[in-house]
Amino acid sequence: EAEVAQSPRYKITEKSQAVAFWCDPISGHATLYWYRQILGQGPELLVQFQDESVVDDSQLPKDRFSAERLKGVDSTLKIQPAELGDSAMYLCASSATGELFFGEGSRLTVL
Amino acid sequence: GQQLNQSPQSMFIQEGEDVSMNCTSSSIFNTWLWYKQEPGEGPVLLIALYKAGELTSNGRLTAQFGITRKDSFLNISASIPSDVGIYFCAGQLGSGGSNYKLTFGKGTLLTVNP
Repeated sequence: EAEVAQSPRYKITEKSQAVAFWCDPISGHATLYWYRQILGQGPELLVQFQDESVVDDSQLPKDRFSAERLKGVDSTLKIQPAELGDSAMYLCASSATGELFFGEGSRLTVL
Repeated sequence: GQQLNQSPQSMFIQEGEDVSMNCTSSSIFNTWLWYKQEPGEGPVLLIALYKAGELTSNGRLTAQFGITRKDSFLNISASIPSDVGIYFCAGQLGSGGSNYKLTFGKGTLLTVNP
């Protein structure tokens, strides 16, 4: 069964360091999402791509976060510099017809 | 933006009992989805609802899309220990572009006592 692949699964970093997460969506899914999930909360959208174009990045803290999907397939989410409040699960999801399928997530801990 | 209120926040039940949880919104959604998330994992889609009034089942799970399009509920019958997890409702405005993005509730933590 096709899955959304994410790496790394876990990342521990010190504040002010740079961190990057990678996502490979289900083959053929044009839409890719990055969500952030703080412990005890539901996921919140950071950025949505349609192919290589950003559809919605209104909730992305652009002073420190960036996301790209250069060839319209895999995507990278970067945080620089990381802050303590960035500790969370970063989830990638993809969709073809509206139903979102999530990867296992990347758990970030900022010390 | 849209707010989803999901209740209850947590449930502790005995194996074999039925479970019901619901989600209400301050505004209309055109699609409702229910996800389950286990510790350290991403959410897994359980049921998708596309029409007001729709009632859909997936094994022991049954979900309904409210007539007003502002609410949905999920029932789990004859619970088993592997039902443990956090259940999230999510609303979607519709098809195309940014309307595909999901707004999530805060989740219902389900614990099943064997």
